[in-house]
Amino acid sequence: QVQLQESGPGLVKPSETLSLTCTVSGGSINSYYWSWIRQPPGKGLEWIAYVYYTGTTTYNPSFRSRVSISVDTSKNQFSLKLTSVTAADTAVYYCARRANYFYNMDVWGKGTTVTVSS
Amino acid sequence: ETVLTQSPDTLSLSPGETATLSCRASQSVGSSYLAWYQQRPGQAPRLLIYGASNRAPAIPDRFSGSGSGTDFTLTISRLEPEDFAVYYCQQYGSSPPYTFGQGTKLEIK
Repeated sequence: QVQLQESGPGLVKPSETLSLTCTVSGGSINSYYWSWIRQPPGKGLEWIAYVYYTGTTTYNPSFRSRVSISVDTSKNQFSLKLTSVTAADTAVYYCARRANYFYNMDVWGKGTTVTVSS
Repeated sequence: ETVLTQSPDTLSLSPGETATLSCRASQSVGSSYLAWYQQRPGQAPRLLIYGASNRAPAIPDRFSGSGSGTDFTLTISRLEPEDFAVYYCQQYGSSPPYTFGQGTKLEIK
């Protein structure tokens, strides 16, 4: 079955750029939308962005122009970049697949913890 | 933005009892676009219910979802020890396309 695996640095300095990659295995990245969602320590879930396999993107306005999401179909991967990070960006970051008909997130990665600290 | 408010924040019950969790939306949500997730400590969320009332694959029939418009409910019958977790509702709609409720923690009494 489809599995997702997040990867990237666990520690990022304030004002720098957070970069994460999600690798899709056991299935194709084609024909689906792919999301990033985060969860600050002890808090709830916050949707960040999604990308279609064609490269079409949609972002949460809360992140204004700090965020970008992209897809590499040749590698079966999609990526997140979040610029000008602060301690408030410390969170577990999850990648997830959006189901095609009901638009829920039906497959999730295990998550990766990113700490913003100098 | 559609705000989802879950109640109660914490629910204390015993195994074998029935849990009723509520999710209220600030504006009408299409029934096709309301989902429920379970999150156990240290784990990623897991899809339980989609389209307000459809169980995801491998989810026991003890879990059921209902509701429409602005009021949705997740019911868990015959609580098992592994059901004690945090539950989130989520909607798909206007900008931003996805919002989550703040979560309900189901704890053992």
